[in-house]
Amino acid sequence: EAGVVQSPRYKIIEKKQPVAFWCNPISGHNTLYWYLQNLGQGPELLIRYENEEAVDDSQLPKDRFSAERLKGVDSTLKIQPAELGDSAVYLCASSGATDTQYFGPGTRLTVL
Amino acid sequence: SQKIEQNSEALNIQEGKTATLTCNYTNYSPAYLQWYRQDPGRGPVFLLLIRENEKEKRKERLKVTFDTTLKQSLFHITASQPADSATYLCAPGDTDKLIFGTGTRLQVFP
Repeated sequence: EAGVVQSPRYKIIEKKQPVAFWCNPISGHNTLYWYLQNLGQGPELLIRYENEEAVDDSQLPKDRFSAERLKGVDSTLKIQPAELGDSAVYLCASSGATDTQYFGPGTRLTVL
Repeated sequence: SQKIEQNSEALNIQEGKTATLTCNYTNYSPAYLQWYRQDPGRGPVFLLLIRENEKEKRKERLKVTFDTTLKQSLFHITASQPADSATYLCAPGDTDKLIFGTGTRLQVFP
């Protein structure tokens, strides 16, 4: 069984530029999560989807961050414009019938 | 607000010993608690889940306890090996939402 796929693995951009991250969850998993992880910290939830519906986006900075999961499968997280403080690892996870979450390898974003 | 505390200092132990990691939480009554392992440059990997009505759970060399009165979970690795070296994340949860601690880095030396 393929795991959660994320791309790109690394991204370096200059501040004020846009950036997008892509995630393909495990097949059949209806719940998809986007997390942000700073160095030395645990993952922090940005948004949670149940199929194509965003059921928890309370921690998503909506002035610059947006996400979509149009067909209830893969998802895209976008930042526009990026700021220096957005440098972090962006993790995608999915879950199915159980409470266990399966994480992708993450995208490491560096904003210069 | 909800707070999850794990020992931020690294835990260094000798191979073969038992490693014990602590997770404390406040302002929260989770229905369950999960433990994840994270290696550098990788996403967290699920290890164990224990529910609020369970006192203890075991899986191979791993053991987790959950004390809802103390608001604490202990994570034990017996007969530790250098391959167990990683960061271990505690994540209390309710329904589909987890709140992760900062993690404790474990280093097992030969």
